[in-house]
Amino acid sequence: EVQLVESGGGLVQPGGSLRLSCVASGFTFHDHGMHWVRQVPGKGLEWVSGINWDTLRNTVSIGYAASVRGRFTISRDNAKNSVYLQMNSLRTDDTALYYCAKEAHSGAWYIGHYSGQGTLVTVSS
Amino acid sequence: DIQMTQSPSTLSASVGDRVTITCRASQNVKSWLAWYQQKPGKAPKLLMFKASTLESGVPSRFSGSGSGTEFTLTISSLQPDDFATYYCQQYDTYPWTFGQGTKVEIK
Repeated sequence: EVQLVESGGGLVQPGGSLRLSCVASGFTFHDHGMHWVRQVPGKGLEWVSGINWDTLRNTVSIGYAASVRGRFTISRDNAKNSVYLQMNSLRTDDTALYYCAKEAHSGAWYIGHYSGQGTLVTVSS
Repeated sequence: DIQMTQSPSTLSASVGDRVTITCRASQNVKSWLAWYQQKPGKAPKLLMFKASTLESGVPSRFSGSGSGTEFTLTISSLQPDDFATYYCQQYDTYPWTFGQGTKVEIK
């Protein structure tokens, strides 16, 4: 069974930093792209960042939403079955529930599975 | 960045109704489009990928169509379990983007 468990959320002041972690199990982690998607309570979904293996170019492909580019950094540690989101220069509009998500299957690209709970990030003074 | 626009934002319908949700992309995303269903307090669930391919386990009353910039999600006969919010998402080009969502409510 696929499991994605996030941690690292919490309350932080504007301008501060947080590092989200997501530990995965139940699938071959290094074969799958991983993503972060966020949702302000009561609002829509926003894709934040993703890290995929681009089989066409034989290289890692990383992307960021325009709203976080230059402030957030995604990374992964395949030995620890983990993906991370380093969030710097946090703003009040970064307040949201952050979901970790996985590629449906190796090479699929689209997200097939989200974590169950998400981790809440609150940016407030 | 590619903008995804869904319509309508809210849809009121009855059990048994045929329901269609439209998703428009600001640029050609070929068929690299997915649909997700989300219920309150729950994570999104994949319904459809590659515009028209039904995810395993999803009821056949759901169907998808389109390519390029115009896509639709159709529920042929709305069931009580289908009242939820639906999102399209393009995965053609980073940054990936979601539509704003369509809430399907009970009429």
